[in-house]
Amino acid sequence: GAVVSQHPSWVICKSGTSVKIECRSLDFQATTMFWYRQFPKQSLMLMATSNEGSKATYEQGVEKDKFLINHASLTLSTLTVTSAHPEDSSFYICSARRDGQEQFFGPGTRLTVL
Amino acid sequence: KQEVTQIPAALSVPEGENLVLNCSFTDSAIYNLQWFRQDPGKGLTSLLLIQSSQREQTSGRLNASLDKSSGRSTLYIAASQPGDSATYLCAAAMDSSYKLIFGSGTRLLVRP
Repeated sequence: GAVVSQHPSWVICKSGTSVKIECRSLDFQATTMFWYRQFPKQSLMLMATSNEGSKATYEQGVEKDKFLINHASLTLSTLTVTSAHPEDSSFYICSARRDGQEQFFGPGTRLTVL
Repeated sequence: KQEVTQIPAALSVPEGENLVLNCSFTDSAIYNLQWFRQDPGKGLTSLLLIQSSQREQTSGRLNASLDKSSGRSTLYIAASQPGDSATYLCAAAMDSSYKLIFGSGTRLLVRP
């Protein structure tokens, strides 16, 4: 199967600090990776699309300087929440796409900013 | 702008019932449509993917249909079990970037 992992699974940080979340495709090379955020009892909202070796494409309303995305290899993308504030607390989920159309999702990272 | 809607928002059924979850989308020019399952506090598990040229896909007790002309997809779950309890999400891919636009989900509870 196609497995996507995320690390950490949960993180608590103080306001003003930066947090890095990793997304890895374990058994396939991902053409594209996507980052989503999900608020409680709400659906997923796409934040950005990440292609290996190129700059991420951010959705309207997502601050690219706050949510830094690096796609260093075909199996790893990272999301860094810079100068995190309580309103950034959310569930962050990544997905990875192979050459086909299907996307495979990671287990998510719960971020709590105090 | 594509909008994806799912009804009902919540559903509670006794074990063994067959049930249908509905997903509608406003723009019929989709590349594909995927159905996912999400357990509380967890990521998404892909259930079925229907290409734009297909009309249905089946996996075990699950059957998903796609009618692009009417902007609808349905997920049929046969002989429901308590383990099927979860939130079910549909998502449409609109272009070659395969970015997904999600519906708000249907929270399913299957009572023993």
